[in-house]
Amino acid sequence: QLQLQESGPGRVKPSETLSLTCTVSGGSISSSTYYWGWVRQPPGKGLEWIGTVYYTGTTYYNPSLKSRVSVSVDTPKNQFSLNLRSVTAADTAIYYCARQPRNPPDDYWSGPDAFDIWGQGTVVMVSS
Amino acid sequence: QAGLTQPPSVSKALRQTATLTCTGNNNLIGNQGTAWLQQRQGHPPKLLSYRNNNRPSGISERFSASRSGNTASLTITGLQPEDEADYYCSTWDSSLGSWVFGGGTKLTVL
Repeated sequence: QLQLQESGPGRVKPSETLSLTCTVSGGSISSSTYYWGWVRQPPGKGLEWIGTVYYTGTTYYNPSLKSRVSVSVDTPKNQFSLNLRSVTAADTAIYYCARQPRNPPDDYWSGPDAFDIWGQGTVVMVSS
Repeated sequence: QAGLTQPPSVSKALRQTATLTCTGNNNLIGNQGTAWLQQRQGHPPKLLSYRNNNRPSGISERFSASRSGNTASLTITGLQPEDEADYYCSTWDSSLGSWVFGGGTKLTVL
């Protein structure tokens, strides 16, 4: 059974870089059938997509965060990572990693579908 | 401005039927269709349906999704206490190049 587990510091100082890793177990991150994404949820608020990566390194980013975000994949370690630069208090949130099936080959585009398996989430607070 | 609009809250009695709506502006709900997720307090979201009306394995038949024009709906029949949760709709906004979520609906089971 596929499982995802987020890891990283629970506190980051303003203006620094938030770095998180998602470890995939029970399946291969190199599968051509799936993308891997990050979603966050500020305290008491809704969900916000951050970015998504394919095992080849192809990425998609939320336009509102694109200038500060990078998502990468480490296939030997079966992990993918999130880096968010120049953080502020507004970046305080629960950060989730999630799997996204790839759209069928004959579909209108070969990008990621909805988030079907999620990690438990990790709380990150931006504070000095 | 907001891509997907959901009512903030819905309340229904035990064993009744709840229908949650999600309205997209400017033909937002396009080829990708709409996905629905359930998030119980203190838990990560859980996918209930995708591509408008497909249910992942293991999801109860009490949950069914549909779409009519720019509005997607999630119907939950025979409401149970464990259905009390936040429900989010989501889709790919091809004009933005971004996955977007609705603001969520808090379902209360009375």
